[in-house]
Amino acid sequence: GAVVSQHPSWVICKSGTSVKIECRSLDFQATTMFWYRQFPKQSLMLMATSNEGSKATYEQGVEKDKFLINHASLTLSTLTVTSAHPEDSSFYICSARYQGADTQYFGPGTRLTVL
Amino acid sequence: SQKIEQNSEALNIQEGKTATLTCNYTNYSPAYLQWYRQDPGRGPVFLLLIRENEKEKRKERLKVTFDTTLKQSLFHITASQPADSATYLCAPVEKGSSNTGKLIFGQGTTLQVKP
Repeated sequence: GAVVSQHPSWVICKSGTSVKIECRSLDFQATTMFWYRQFPKQSLMLMATSNEGSKATYEQGVEKDKFLINHASLTLSTLTVTSAHPEDSSFYICSARYQGADTQYFGPGTRLTVL
Repeated sequence: SQKIEQNSEALNIQEGKTATLTCNYTNYSPAYLQWYRQDPGRGPVFLLLIRENEKEKRKERLKVTFDTTLKQSLFHITASQPADSATYLCAPVEKGSSNTGKLIFGQGTTLQVKP
């Protein structure tokens, strides 16, 4: 149980385009979802926390207008990287938590490459 | 400011030996601390959670200790196997953040178990 999927698993796009990444909890209702970014040989950096039906809370230094997060249902959150640039190339990972849980269940990640 | 320190250098051990990984934290009053495993190109997988009032927790070949006086957690893998090779991440969860579920990870320690 507690499976989280992400789509796509990898994406290559041109500079200036927008990319949408989906995160789904497959067998539970995720009251909270989280988005992380991981650069090579570094740890995961939390970007934002998203509660279903509410606006996301962004970590300091993360541009909310560039990284649009939508958590419209209890099983789906999306991250849209707007006007992507090469420096946005990274591994984006989502996680989900159900009500009352202490642990998070992570998706397999999405590799974004911006040319 | 809050800080989480894990051995940044890779830990190389022989199969069958016990691996011990360290997580030190400063300026935290954790309600609990979690350990995750991450394989290259994958999302983290939850391993163990230990609460502030627990000294030790075990799960199969894994053991976690938690010393809130030393502000340290140790993660042990006994009878290590090559399949245990991965990066291990710790995440202390501040008392005030336990309801949000927000996780801030250490940089991780890469374990390499040689046959």
